[in-house]
Amino acid sequence: DIVMTQSPDSLAVSLGERATINCKSSQSVLNSSNKNNYLAWYQQKSGQPPKLLIHWASTRESGVPDRFSGSGSGTDFTLTISSLQAEDVAVYYCQQYHSMPYSFGQGTKLEIK
Amino acid sequence: EVQLVESGGGLVQPGGSLRLSCAASGFTFSNSWMHWVRQGPGKGLVWVSRINIDGSSTWHADSVKGRFTISRDNAKNTLYLQMNSLRVEDTAVYYCARGRLVASGGGFDPWGQGTLVTVSS
Repeated sequence: DIVMTQSPDSLAVSLGERATINCKSSQSVLNSSNKNNYLAWYQQKSGQPPKLLIHWASTRESGVPDRFSGSGSGTDFTLTISSLQAEDVAVYYCQQYHSMPYSFGQGTKLEIK
Repeated sequence: EVQLVESGGGLVQPGGSLRLSCAASGFTFSNSWMHWVRQGPGKGLVWVSRINIDGSSTWHADSVKGRFTISRDNAKNTLYLQMNSLRVEDTAVYYCARGRLVASGGGFDPWGQGTLVTVSS
């Protein structure tokens, strides 16, 4: 099974500053045939279900602000929020969908400093 | 509007059973792989079960294997999770989610609002 590990567990960033969340998989989630990384990022605000932000490690979903970006390949990935807004306070999860059982990171809680 | 609505949660004693339902609308349910994901109180997301488009293939996490069964009724656009031999540690909000085709990017979207299952004596 692929284990997903996020860092840090929590993060406090000032409004307008950059926030960076890391995600590491225990095995590569790169599909060798299509060269896509089977890695997604979700945002979960308090009391709400998760919302898909990014798929294929770096492709933003429609309607997601461009301050959100994903990068990385193989086993190491990053979610970056370029200029933190108040509405970005949430818990963020990475997920691999390369191999069953699909697995999530433990989550990173993002707060305003 | 693409929507998933869960129901069937509640309070049950250890060893008891419960069946969750997830009603889908706004998309072609019969062409969609479906999943259950749970979230314990104050905890992270944990994938539970997956079913393919016609129900012929299912997969369950080790923690629920032999106790939980995922199924679907494409005529009713409804996904189910039969939960037997429930344990205190099964207490969680249970979400259903559509697994998108990898050709469309993969990932889970949309998610339902969740239904709370509490296992307690």
